[in-house]
Amino acid sequence: AQSVTQPDIHITVSEGASLELRCNYSYGATPYLFWYVQSPGQGLQLLLKYFSGDTLVQGIKGFEAEFKRSQSSFNLRKPSVHWSDAAEYFCAVSDSGYALNFGKGTSLLVTP
Amino acid sequence: SQTIHQWPATLVQPVGSPLSLECTVEGTSNPNLYWYRQAAGRGLQLLFYSVGIGQISSEVPQNLSASRPQDRQFILSSKKLLLSDSGFYLCAWSPVPNTEAFFGQGTRLTVV
Repeated sequence: AQSVTQPDIHITVSEGASLELRCNYSYGATPYLFWYVQSPGQGLQLLLKYFSGDTLVQGIKGFEAEFKRSQSSFNLRKPSVHWSDAAEYFCAVSDSGYALNFGKGTSLLVTP
Repeated sequence: SQTIHQWPATLVQPVGSPLSLECTVEGTSNPNLYWYRQAAGRGLQLLFYSVGIGQISSEVPQNLSASRPQDRQFILSSKKLLLSDSGFYLCAWSPVPNTEAFFGQGTRLTVV
């Protein structure tokens, strides 16, 4: 079955440290890939997307993600985390249907 | 630019009461519309999607229904709420199926 996996439920990083959030997918072909961020009690905001081409994509708020076909991964990175980055992060994948398939999310805590 | 409005932001309803959540999109025509439910630690569950007026597809059989009476209006309803209907409900739209979706601010529903 097609699936999206975010292996880390919670991640804690220190402010100023680098960040990498993992996302793996299980699909027959290369799907479209997305990362969203959600602040508490809010809707989801699109950070970045990958359709084709350059496998390193830049997004808003200083985030980037790299698509690795051989590993079926689309990991989200940020060189230096700010306290305001504390939020829930969701990886999403398009499939053959009409809507995106979301992972269960990774909760990011940023410590001083 | 396109905007999506979802209301109310919070709602507390007794068991057995009806429900109506409304979502409208501005600045675009013929959007694809979606209702998701989010439970803690379980990611986003697609409930309904619509590709046009009067066209509703249900992903999960349950106590809820959806309607699209106008091109940019999407309504989530229930005749009798259950305790298990509590959750965070998100409306979203996309310009074409299976591409990036843009989310409303969500409705926190508590059934008591």
